[in-house]
Amino acid sequence: QVQLQESGPGLVKPSQTLSLTCSVSGGSISSADHYWSWVRQPAGKGLEWIGHIYLSGNTNYDPSLKSRVTISINTSNNHFSLRLTSVTAADTAVYYCARVSRTSNHSDYWGQGTLVIVSS
Amino acid sequence: DIQMTQSPSSLSASVGDRVTITCRASQSISDFLNWYQQKPGKGPKLLIFAASSLQSGVPSRFSGSGSETDFTLTISNLQPEDFATYYCQQSYSIPFTFGPGTKVDIK
Repeated sequence: QVQLQESGPGLVKPSQTLSLTCSVSGGSISSADHYWSWVRQPAGKGLEWIGHIYLSGNTNYDPSLKSRVTISINTSNNHFSLRLTSVTAADTAVYYCARVSRTSNHSDYWGQGTLVIVSS
Repeated sequence: DIQMTQSPSSLSASVGDRVTITCRASQSISDFLNWYQQKPGKGPKLLIFAASSLQSGVPSRFSGSGSETDFTLTISNLQPEDFATYYCQQSYSIPFTFGPGTKVDIK
């Protein structure tokens, strides 16, 4: 059974950088049939797609975040990461990582989510 | 970006009811439409992918239909564990946008 677990600071100061890691267990991050995604959810609101990364290292990002976001992958440690620079209160949210199937780009496994609050 | 809308935004239903949720895309997405269920404090759970394919382990009372721009999620014989929020997502073009969600609660 594939499991994903987000980790990282729960509190980030405005203008600083949010950094999260998603650890994958029960399966290989090097799977040819999947790629890896980040999604966030502000309190009481809906799901927002952030971006994803392929094993090759190629990435796609939401245009509204593209200038501030970087997703990277570490096959040695079976994890992938999210960096979001110059954060503001609007970046406060629960952040989820997910595995995405190449067949129809659906996210079949998700982490439990981690709350990141942007506040001084 | 492709915009996704859902209706209704919320509904009240009883155990045993048949529930239908509609999702509409602002342009054709073929069958690249996924449905997720989310319960409070939990991550989303995949129910349906490619518009009508049931994810392994999901009860058969969940079904999906539609193509191009109009899609439907149907829950037949609603069970207590089905009270949750449901999201559609298009995975046809970047960014993979979600609908605003439909909250299903107990009547």
